[in-house]
This record gives sequence, C-alpha cells and structure tokens, in this order.
Amino acid sequence: AQSVSQHNHHVILSEAASLELGCNYSYGGTVNLFWYVQYPGQHLQLLLKYFSGDPLVKGIKGFEAEFIKSKFSFNLRKPSVQWSDTAEYFCAVNANAGNNRKLIWGLGTSLAVNP
Amino acid sequence: KAGVTQTPRYLIKTRGQQVTLSCSPISGHRSVSWYQQTPGQGLQFLFEYFSETQRNKGNFPGRFSGRQFSNSRSEMNVSTLELGDSALYLCASSLASYQETQYFGPGTRLLVL
Repeated sequence: AQSVSQHNHHVILSEAASLELGCNYSYGGTVNLFWYVQYPGQHLQLLLKYFSGDPLVKGIKGFEAEFIKSKFSFNLRKPSVQWSDTAEYFCAVNANAGNNRKLIWGLGTSLAVNP
Repeated sequence: KAGVTQTPRYLIKTRGQQVTLSCSPISGHRSVSWYQQTPGQGLQFLFEYFSETQRNKGNFPGRFSGRQFSNSRSEMNVSTLELGDSALYLCASSLASYQETQYFGPGTRLLVL
C-alpha cells in the first residue's frame, strides 16, 4: 500500500536557522506531491506542489522543496526560518494508481521556532 | 470570495448515534473531499465528490457516507457512532479535482462518548 513518511514529528529551531523537513513516499509510479501548512488557529493551506518539470519547486514565504525521484523523496527546505513559521507541516502524495486515486498524507511535523 | 465553511464546528454524540456534517465549498468549486484527522493516524481520505457523484473513496467502513448537492454543498454522515470516530473532520474544495490545490475548511470536531 502507498504510504507517506515524515521523518521528524517535532522540530524546534531558533530564528535564522535553516530548515529541512523530510518526506518519503512508497509508490513507484507517477506521483503529484504537495506540502501543506497549518498555522496556529488557521486552516490547512497549500505551501507548494510538484506535478512535473523542474524538480526544485518554490512555494510561498521562501519555502522550497526538491523532488528526488530515485530517493522517493520530497523534502521541504527554508534557508532561514522566522518565528512566524511556527506551524504544522504536512506532506501529501497523490498516487495515480488506476481508478482509485487518492491523496495520501504524512502524519505531519510540528515546527516551533524560538525568537 | 468566502472560504470553505463547515457546520457545526463542534459536536458531542454518544455511541450508537448518527451524525451529519455539512460543508459549503468556495463558490465555483465543484470538487469536495472529506478527511478524518486524528493525532495517531494523521489525515485520512474519506471520499471525494464531484458533480453530485462520489468519484474517489478511501478505506473507511460503510458507516461513513456522503453526498453532494447540485450547488456543490456536501454532507457527510456517520451512522452507529463508535468511540474511535472521535476526530476532526475536514472538508476541502477545489475547482475540479482534488489533484489541484485544495482549500480547507476549519473542520468539525466530533467527540463520541
């Protein structure tokens, strides 16, 4: 069965530190990849997505992610985090497997940025 | 544009009861997806509706059902509630497919006693 694994459940960083959140998926076919973010008290919202083309994808608020097909990975990065990046981050994969396509989600990574 | 709205926001039920949750998508969005979110299982896909038809379905028992109306509003029903159904139920809408950017509502938090 397809699955999505986010390596870190809780991450604590100081402002200006660099961030990398891991996301790996298990599916050998064509995938669409997403990172969503949920800020405290707000709805889930799209951070960035990859469908095809350049494997380095840029999203909102300075975030980027790199799709490495050989590693089945789609890690999220930001060179310098801010206190306002404190949120929960979810990786999701759409596996185009026949007629039963669905979005599969990781368990999320809770990021706390200390000012 | 108004965002995705869900009602009610909070609900307390007892085992064996049934519950209906409502979702109003963003105007013009025709695809509505439902998710169950729990701390241990994360976000799990329940089903997706498009043009009043269920287009995709997750791995949930038949107690979980849904429907979509002609104005794209959707309802989700859970019958014979179990303690394990306690969760945050999220609705997301998109223009035509869940593969596009999904816009999430605030969720309905259901507690089953």
